[in-house]
Amino acid sequence: KNEVEQSPQNLTAQEGEFITINCSYSVGISALHWLQQHPGGGIVSLFMLSSGKKKHGRLIATINIQEKHSSLHITASHPRDSAVYICAVISNFGNEKLTFGTGTRLTIIP
Amino acid sequence: KAGVTQTPRYLIKTRGQQVTLSCSPISGHRSVSWYQQTPGQGLQFLFEYFSETQRNKGNFPGRFSGRQFSNSRSEMNVSTLELGDSALYLCASSLVLGGTQYFGPGTRLLVL
Repeated sequence: KNEVEQSPQNLTAQEGEFITINCSYSVGISALHWLQQHPGGGIVSLFMLSSGKKKHGRLIATINIQEKHSSLHITASHPRDSAVYICAVISNFGNEKLTFGTGTRLTIIP
Repeated sequence: KAGVTQTPRYLIKTRGQQVTLSCSPISGHRSVSWYQQTPGQGLQFLFEYFSETQRNKGNFPGRFSGRQFSNSRSEMNVSTLELGDSALYLCASSLVLGGTQYFGPGTRLLVL
């Protein structure tokens, strides 16, 4: 079992829909990242969070440390949101390396 | 500020050769991490450097090595290339260890 699991693996939605991507992890963590990767490979860090909720524009990320679960929400989705969204955690075992989920491929249809 | 830059962007090598990839972090960032991304394995951590010292290492064979210079620029080297080393190699920098990472565009390596 992977330390970081994401669901769904693929998601197709109509423009304007509310999107939720889930991330569950099995280790104790000091922080969790949500990353966005567009075709061509470029990766952008969307959020880093260790508790609660963060919002940036139409993106909202939440984390529940007790349940070892995080969600990324996109409101009023747009075709330019089409990308792979990757959850990554930093374990609290003393090292700081990132462990990645397998990613969620999101496609927004106009 | 300029973002993270990686050179070269694309590279084709043959089995048995070696390759050196370069990463220049955002000015002021002292931590540089390297990642390998393949369709089969996804993103995997290679190593992290901070102030010229390797702080963490992923589960890769000794053919993969790296270093960081006093100006925080980093290089990674892969010796005796194998077909399975074909991947996108990403570098990311952060101000501090465990901080928000800023990714470079990656170097796409193809081993024939």
